[in-house]
Amino acid sequence: ILNVEQSPQSLHVQEGDSTNFTCSFPSSNFYALHWYRWETAKSPEALFVMTLNGDEKKKGRISATLNTKEGYSYLYIKGSQPEDSATYLCAFYNQGGKLIFGQGTELSVKP
Amino acid sequence: GAGVSQSPRYKVTKRGQDVALRCDPISGHVSLYWYRQALGQGPEFLTYFNYEAQQDKSGLPNDRFSAERPEGSISTLTIQRTEQRDSAMYRCASTGRDRYEQYFGPGTRLTVT
Repeated sequence: ILNVEQSPQSLHVQEGDSTNFTCSFPSSNFYALHWYRWETAKSPEALFVMTLNGDEKKKGRISATLNTKEGYSYLYIKGSQPEDSATYLCAFYNQGGKLIFGQGTELSVKP
Repeated sequence: GAGVSQSPRYKVTKRGQDVALRCDPISGHVSLYWYRQALGQGPEFLTYFNYEAQQDKSGLPNDRFSAERPEGSISTLTIQRTEQRDSAMYRCASTGRDRYEQYFGPGTRLTVT
């Protein structure tokens, strides 16, 4: 059974704070690790697709790292803004093509 | 089309009825995935197709659920003899040959009364 776990489940921060979330996934049969941003009532939108151990990706104030050997990825948000409030989902893509999502980290940024 | 589309967007049905949910992926996308998403939860994998072939249906909850993609494009998820516990958002997503980024449809909100 594949298990993708995210922590924390929810996070409340003040505008300007930097935050980070963790995604842990099986270290075997790895193909890719995805991060998605999901606002309620909308569809998940892809942030990053990471495939190589040691990958680091950045988009504006958001960045992510990947460690496939130990099975974890971190997502960082620098200087959080209220518009960053959303649920951040990670998903593990195995070599068989199956994509398993974690339960998400719900971020709330207060002005 | 420009994105993944799903229909209907909302479906209310009575317990015991069959429902068919449709997904139209991005043109040319090889893989199509079906997910079920409960309120406040991440998507739960149901099944996926490469072209017309169903590759993995291990996430389908029971034999009342089935899916097909006969011509390798549009897919239908069918739920027979619906039960209240089937109420959820059903999302599909498609991905290109590289199996990288998934593009999600808007979902079908199914309510079984």
